[in-house]
Amino acid sequence: AQKVTQAQTEISVVEKEDVTLDCVYETRDTTYYLFWYKQPPSGELVFLIRRNSFDEQNEISGRYSWNFQKSTSSFNFTITASQVVDSAVYFCALSEQNTGTASKLTFGTGTRLQVTL
Amino acid sequence: EAGVTQSPTHLIKTRGQQATLRCSPISGHTSVYWYQQALGLGLQFLLWYDEGEERNRGNFPPRFSGRQFPNYSSELNVNALELEDSALYLCASSLAGPSGNTIYFGEGSWLTVV
Repeated sequence: AQKVTQAQTEISVVEKEDVTLDCVYETRDTTYYLFWYKQPPSGELVFLIRRNSFDEQNEISGRYSWNFQKSTSSFNFTITASQVVDSAVYFCALSEQNTGTASKLTFGTGTRLQVTL
Repeated sequence: EAGVTQSPTHLIKTRGQQATLRCSPISGHTSVYWYQQALGLGLQFLLWYDEGEERNRGNFPPRFSGRQFPNYSSELNVNALELEDSALYLCASSLAGPSGNTIYFGEGSWLTVV
């Protein structure tokens, strides 16, 4: 069965600090997809990144970077020089290639990031 | 281009009543998904519709149902409301077939059952 674990429930940092959000996943499929979403207080889930299981290249987008390591089943997310606007709940999610389960994203429990001045 | 839109934003119902939530997907998307985000329970998959058909449902009782219209918009109906149905209901859409396609979410509908 697929499972996503975000062990950090809440993280608090001061603006300009770097912060890493951890995500560990479990799946039996060899083909799967990993996602990160951001949920600000308004409630909308904002898509940040998608990564397929065959692409282990790390990715950088502005202040955001992602480290995908199949060997440890982890897909960690780092925010460099955090800003107050980064305050939100961040969710890691997994979907599998298998038709029966591919229709759903399995989410982690989320990490609440609080960035203060 | 408009994203996924949902209505109403907030809804208050009494226990035992029915609630109807509506969703319009991103133009060109044929798959629509519903998720429930209840306090303390995280994001739970409810339903997936594609081309007007229900393709998969999560572990929810039959009083949670819905449909997808020919224009790909969707309704979620919750019958015989219970207090624990109070939650944020998120609709999402993607291109045909969810496997590997990015799923984009709307802002959600807050349902409060009193």
